[in-house]
Amino acid sequence: EVQLVESGGGLVQPGGSLRLSCAASGFSFSSYWMTWVRQAPGKGLQWVANIKQDASEENVLDSVKGRFTISRDNSKNLVYLQMNSLTVEDTAIYFCARDWLVPDYWGQGTLVIVSS
Amino acid sequence: EVVMTQSPATLSVSPGERVTLSCRASQSVGDNVAWYQQKPGQAPRLLFYGPSTRATGVPARFRGSGSGTEFTFTISSLQSEDFAVYYCQQYNYWPPITFGQGTRLDNK
Repeated sequence: EVQLVESGGGLVQPGGSLRLSCAASGFSFSSYWMTWVRQAPGKGLQWVANIKQDASEENVLDSVKGRFTISRDNSKNLVYLQMNSLTVEDTAIYFCARDWLVPDYWGQGTLVIVSS
Repeated sequence: EVVMTQSPATLSVSPGERVTLSCRASQSVGDNVAWYQQKPGQAPRLLFYGPSTRATGVPARFRGSGSGTEFTFTISSLQSEDFAVYYCQQYNYWPPITFGQGTRLDNK
């Protein structure tokens, strides 16, 4: 069974940093692109970043470029989202998902609240 | 960036009714559209891609169709468990993949 479990969310002040993690199991992690998608409270879905199987390619939403970095550790079946210089607009549930064009399995998400 | 526009934003329906949701792309995206269902407090669930290929376990009462800029998601006979928010998503031009704003099905 495919499982994706996010962690690392929480309350952070504007300008702060968080690193989100996503633990994958039940599939060959190193064979798949991985994606982060976020959802602001009461809003729709917004793609944030994706990373290729061997980490040779990464893509990040323009509005977070320079602040967010995606990475992965295939030896541990983990994908990360490093978020720096957070603003209140980054408040959202962050979902980890498998694949890059049509995310087919999603984790339950981790909530990030940016507030003073 | 391709903008996906869904209509209506909210639809009040009763169990047993036929439901049709629309999604329009700001430019042609070929067949590269997917549909997701999201219930409160849950992650999105992939329903269709391509746009008519059913994902694993998706009931036959659900159907996806369309191409180019106009796409449709249909539920032939709404069941109580179908009340949710439905999102379309294009993957023809990326990054970024982009989602519609969603259509919420409410119980009339």
